[in-house]
Amino acid sequence: GQQVMQIPQYQHVQEGEDFTTYCNSSTTLSNIQWYKQRPGGHPVFLIQLVKSGEVKKQKRLTFQFGEAKKNSSLHITATQTTDVGTYFCAGLLTNAGKSTFGDGTTLTVKP
Amino acid sequence: DVKVTQSSRYLVKRTGEKVFLECVQDMDHENMFWYRQDPGLGLRLIYFSYDVKMKEKGDIPEGYSVSREKKERFSLILESASTNQTSMYLCASSLPSPSGKDTQYFGPGTRLTVL
Repeated sequence: GQQVMQIPQYQHVQEGEDFTTYCNSSTTLSNIQWYKQRPGGHPVFLIQLVKSGEVKKQKRLTFQFGEAKKNSSLHITATQTTDVGTYFCAGLLTNAGKSTFGDGTTLTVKP
Repeated sequence: DVKVTQSSRYLVKRTGEKVFLECVQDMDHENMFWYRQDPGLGLRLIYFSYDVKMKEKGDIPEGYSVSREKKERFSLILESASTNQTSMYLCASSLPSPSGKDTQYFGPGTRLTVL
């Protein structure tokens, strides 16, 4: 069964509001990656987190990896219309040969 | 820059036809993947390959087969296309996980319609 769960499935926000998507795994992850898929496009790699408790920032985006390496979050501060799209997490399970993708969170931003 | 190309952006086929979707990557990646993406269902892994002539089933392999004769090329085959295989098909490649990454690079996708 699916081992990487992502919530929420959809999020609608007003421009300027914050947004967070959460990713949870039933087992410990070696790393977690985040991807963004713009409408009509394909998933594009954003960032990878490897260390327990790691926090990384990319402008208005903040990525966190949990202490137990079983969960992660992506937070966008003050959303803009350019943030619309679907955000996927992908967890690499320990001793696995490939990552497992979450179902994604689709963000819409109302101007 | 990693480049993953897919043979067609749009494809229309008839029920029962044999369909080939081709994917080529230029970064000498060992791993290659085929996903299908449908609204509300995320990315579902069909097959992946971690080396030439090696393949493993993903989550939804039924109705599909794959071929990897050369490292850079990974083909998805629908032996007898059915309407429920209408979907967006995405190919990806990556270095193997012992490298510590498995960062996947995706192609632009093929939107297949089966009539």
